[in-house]
Amino acid sequence: DQQVKQNSPSLSVQEGRISILNCDYTNSMFDYFLWYKKYPAEGPTFLISISSIKDKNEDGRFTVFLNKSAKHLSLHIVPSQPGDSAVYFCAASPQGGSEKLVFGKGTKLTVNP
Amino acid sequence: NAGVTQTPKFRILKIGQSMTLQCAQDMNHNYMYWYRQDPGMGLKLIYYSVGAGITDKGEVPNGYNVSRSTTEDFPLRLELAAPSQTSVYFCASSYSMGSRELFFGEGSRLTVL
Repeated sequence: DQQVKQNSPSLSVQEGRISILNCDYTNSMFDYFLWYKKYPAEGPTFLISISSIKDKNEDGRFTVFLNKSAKHLSLHIVPSQPGDSAVYFCAASPQGGSEKLVFGKGTKLTVNP
Repeated sequence: NAGVTQTPKFRILKIGQSMTLQCAQDMNHNYMYWYRQDPGMGLKLIYYSVGAGITDKGEVPNGYNVSRSTTEDFPLRLELAAPSQTSVYFCASSYSMGSRELFFGEGSRLTVL
């Protein structure tokens, strides 16, 4: 039973355009959400997060939106750059700490020059 | 700072062999984790540790053992390797259990034949 779902295995975008990566969750106890980025042959790196008390968090070109009623979050990258090409993992956890962190399967983003 | 260092990066094992994946961090983090990532899947937690001498099972602990004798090191032991343990293993750390921003190593790709 997947509690965190990334339904798009891949996404291709032109450089300079917006990339939108989506994530759905089923556990209403999740209160913190994160996005990790992973390049080939490297470990995931933390990108951006959002608490359930907010509906938007922005960091430079990256913005995460949270819609609690729909149990949906999205990551917007504007403008997209070729260096953003990577696999993006959505993760979520309830209160209690990082040992309860649940990861999605990931979406591979390709930004074409 | 090296961050989280994993060795080896690649290993091929025969069924029934045993081995230890090494993980070391130099960030003085108390909390450390072992994840596995199967192809096309999200990361699954194997074991975690909240400090030296304290470890606990994650979602998929069967077939593995861990120890934590120092803050820096968190080795993962595979006993009697099976093809189902073919995966990429990631070690991670965080400065607190409440922090869900994890720092990952580069991964260890294990193949069991």
